Amino acid sequence: GAGVSQTPSNKVTEKGKYVELRCDPISGHTALYWYRQSLGQGPEFLIYFQGTGAADDSGLPNDRFFAVRPEGSVSTLKIQRTERGDSAVYLCASSPMTSGGFTDTQYFGPGTRLTVL
Amino acid sequence: SQQGEEDPQALSIQEGENATMNCSYKTSINNLQWYRQNSGRGLVHLILIRSNEREKHSGRLRVTLDTSKKSSSLLITASRAADTASYFCATDAYSGAGSYQLTFGKGTKLSVIP
Repeated sequence: GAGVSQTPSNKVTEKGKYVELRCDPISGHTALYWYRQSLGQGPEFLIYFQGTGAADDSGLPNDRFFAVRPEGSVSTLKIQRTERGDSAVYLCASSPMTSGGFTDTQYFGPGTRLTVL
Repeated sequence: SQQGEEDPQALSIQEGENATMNCSYKTSINNLQWYRQNSGRGLVHLILIRSNEREKHSGRLRVTLDTSKKSSSLLITASRAADTASYFCATDAYSGAGSYQLTFGKGTKLSVIP
């Protein structure tokens, strides 16, 4: 079946602009995660949704970052007043459900490479 | 912050050889996962080992877990050029905000030379 998809695959923007990154999880997956990966690093957790609600947004670096999942499927990560330091690959992942609060296998999308000039 | 740390950072081997990557972590875990990433894009889940398991196999992959040493190893046997990728270990850690989340190391970059 279809995997996790992310659009756009690449996004180039100017410092100070607003961007939206979209994630389409695997159908039926209730848990959705956003990560950010800088060059030479592993992915870093940003936010986790269980259904429509953000169950844990402790990884968001500051209030310029916001994410929504209004219908419990597609999610959008929104970054306001972008800065050069926001340049990274933004990864989305989904999983069927969490196992009693513990992490389970996550299925990742191909990522969106964001470049802030 | 990153809990898991992979070792070595880079590994280059000949096709057909075995590749071993190690992961160390700091706090107690519920499970540990290994992922593969090609060309800096999406990650692919390889194997999950729970804290009460010591060894797990999946095809050419063998994962061990030693919770007393807070370490894990990933062995790829009879490597192929297609195994060239970065490999990450990920442990679940309490985020401090009500859930457990995966924390990844910096990865081991494996190159398999044909």
